[in-house]
Amino acid sequence: AQTVTQSQPEMSVQEAETVTLSCTYDTSESNYYLFWYKQPPSRQMILVIRQEAYKQQNATENRFSVNFQKAAKSFSLKISDSQLGDTAMYFCAFMKFARDDKIIFGKGTRLHILP
Amino acid sequence: AAGVIQSPRHLIKEKRETATLKCYPIPRHDTVYWYQQGPGQDPQFLISFYEKMQSDKGSIPDRFSAQQFSDYHSELNMSSLELGDSALYFCASSLGTSGGPYNEQFFGPGTRLTVL
Repeated sequence: AQTVTQSQPEMSVQEAETVTLSCTYDTSESNYYLFWYKQPPSRQMILVIRQEAYKQQNATENRFSVNFQKAAKSFSLKISDSQLGDTAMYFCAFMKFARDDKIIFGKGTRLHILP
Repeated sequence: AAGVIQSPRHLIKEKRETATLKCYPIPRHDTVYWYQQGPGQDPQFLISFYEKMQSDKGSIPDRFSAQQFSDYHSELNMSSLELGDSALYFCASSLGTSGGPYNEQFFGPGTRLTVL
C-alpha cells in the first residue's frame, strides 16, 4: 500500500520569503505521479503542481517548484516570493501510474503567510 | 470553462436520516470519483466510476451506495446517517478515455454535510 507523510502540520513565513514544505512517501511502484494540492479557506481543492516519477527534471509552475528525490522517496514543495494568497492547507498526494486511479493524500501542512 | 458541479452545497440532516449528494462532471468526462474529508482531515477516497461501472472502491461504509448514470452524473446515497458522517464530500471528474495514463482529476467545490 502507498503512504504519504507530511511531517510539518503547520508553518508560518513572512510575505515575500521562500518556504519549503516537506513530503515523503512509500510505494513499491516504479512509475507514479506526485502532486501538491492547495486547499484555501474556501475548501476548494486546487492542483498546484504535478511530477511524473519517470521524469528526472523537477516540475516548476511559476513561483512553485518541487525537489523530487526518487531514491529517497522525497517530494518537497518550494514556494518563492510567498504571497498572502498562498495561505492555505497544502496536501502532498500520490497516484499510481494507471488510468483512473485514486489519489492518496497526506495529512496536510497548514501554511500561514504573514504580512 | 465548465467545472464540476455538486449539489447541494450544504446539507443538514438528523441522525438516522438519508442523504443524496449529486455530482455533475465536466462535459465529456466519463470518470467520477468521490472523496470524503472529515474536519481537519485529509480527503479519503470512497468510490469511483468509469463509463457507468464501478471501477474502484475505498473505505466506503456499507450504508453508502453510489452510481453513475447514463449522462455520467453520479449520486452518492447515504443512509442511517451518523454524527461521524459529517464531512466535506468532494466529487472529481476526469476524462478516462484520453488515451494517456494520466487523466487529471478536476475537483468540484464539495458538499458540506452536517449530521445533527
